[in-house]
Amino acid sequence: AQRVTQPEKLLSVFKGAPVELKCNYSYSGSPELFWYVQYSRQRLQLLLRHISRESIKGFTADLNKGETSFHLKKPFAQEEDSAMYYCALTGQGGSEKLVFGKGTKLTVNP
Amino acid sequence: NAGVTQTPKFRILKIGQSMTLQCTQDMNHNYMYWYRQDPGMGLKLIYYSVGAGITDKGEVPNGYNVSRSTTEDFPLRLELAAPSQTSVYFCASRTQGFHSSSYNSPLHFGNGTRLTVT
Repeated sequence: AQRVTQPEKLLSVFKGAPVELKCNYSYSGSPELFWYVQYSRQRLQLLLRHISRESIKGFTADLNKGETSFHLKKPFAQEEDSAMYYCALTGQGGSEKLVFGKGTKLTVNP
Repeated sequence: NAGVTQTPKFRILKIGQSMTLQCTQDMNHNYMYWYRQDPGMGLKLIYYSVGAGITDKGEVPNGYNVSRSTTEDFPLRLELAAPSQTSVYFCASRTQGFHSSSYNSPLHFGNGTRLTVT
């Protein structure tokens, strides 16, 4: 079964501080991981995915298959990063279902 | 492209009433999904469709029905509304094709429908 765990419901940091949003997953096959973000009054949108290996808005995430984790990191948080962040999992090779974690609400204080 | 469009944005229903949440996409995506978002619970998959005429249950299908008569539209029907169905509903779509090699294309979401059942 697919499962995504985001242990922190709420995360609060000060502007300029590093931030790490945790995501752990359970999946028997080859996983594909995503981070989606929902800013206030906006729709959910893709932030980044593990296959891209790129930095979006200063965020990075590395898939660690040994620890079954896909933590989202940013070295210097900005106030505009305040949002709801969801980690999501699907299987490689044409899987139909995307399973989401419960989300972490990040607040970046001035 | 308008992307994924959901209507209505808000709705208040009385217990036992029925309604249809509309979802349409203009990206010619094969796959369409309905999720509900409850505070602290993340997104739960209600139903999904891999193409016109094909639908399947997700994690929480009870109390809902869907149809997919066209590629563009994927309405969600609530027949007998219950307070437990108070939630924000999101429709999403993606192309069947692969982003690269065997990896999946990402989801595109609508703006959501906030439903209250009292």
